[in-house]
Amino acid sequence: DGGITQSPKYLFRKEGQNVTLSCEQNLNHDAMYWYRQDPGQGLRLIYYSQIVNDFQKGDIAEGYSVSREKKESFPLTVTSAQKNPTAFYLCASSMISRLANEQFFGPGTRLTVL
Amino acid sequence: DQQVKQNSPSLSVQEGRISILNCDYTNSMFDYFLWYKKYPAEGPTFLISISSIKDKNEDGRFTVFLNKSAKHLSLHIVPSQPGDSAVYFCAASGGFGNEKLTFGTGTRLTIIP
Repeated sequence: DGGITQSPKYLFRKEGQNVTLSCEQNLNHDAMYWYRQDPGQGLRLIYYSQIVNDFQKGDIAEGYSVSREKKESFPLTVTSAQKNPTAFYLCASSMISRLANEQFFGPGTRLTVL
Repeated sequence: DQQVKQNSPSLSVQEGRISILNCDYTNSMFDYFLWYKKYPAEGPTFLISISSIKDKNEDGRFTVFLNKSAKHLSLHIVPSQPGDSAVYFCAASGGFGNEKLTFGTGTRLTIIP
């Protein structure tokens, strides 16, 4: 089954701790993305990567870091510098295509800082 | 600055009737538009898209209309079904080489049986 997996589904962290959210895709997509969703708001782009070993900041990158060592994987680290980390985090992937660039989303990880 | 706007946070429609969800954008560089459906605590699911060379795209019960001069797009769902109750997001991108999507804030659609 092709798709995007995110783990864990729910994550709790103490204030001041770093935490890493996993995102894996087996769709052979070139591009991967991380978004954050807060209640009543749309999806805001944190980081994205169009190719292995390269990534760019999105609109709200402060307090986050990523890596793209493999095409299939794009983990997101929420650092202690992120002031308001409690949110629903979504990973997505897409082809890079002139014709269409639909992004396909994983099921999400809800992070709660205690 | 919100480049993609969904001005109606919620919409209620009777089952069987037409649901019309609206979206406005400000960036004239956007040339590809998408609609996603999202249930609580799940990832968004792609519904339908339209490129700026078209003004209409249809897929079953879903039709998206694009009015480039007004920078406005709408999603029509007909007939509306209870399973359509969800949050709908519109999104826009600058096309090839710029695959970043800019999302609206969403409209919660409730279908009343």
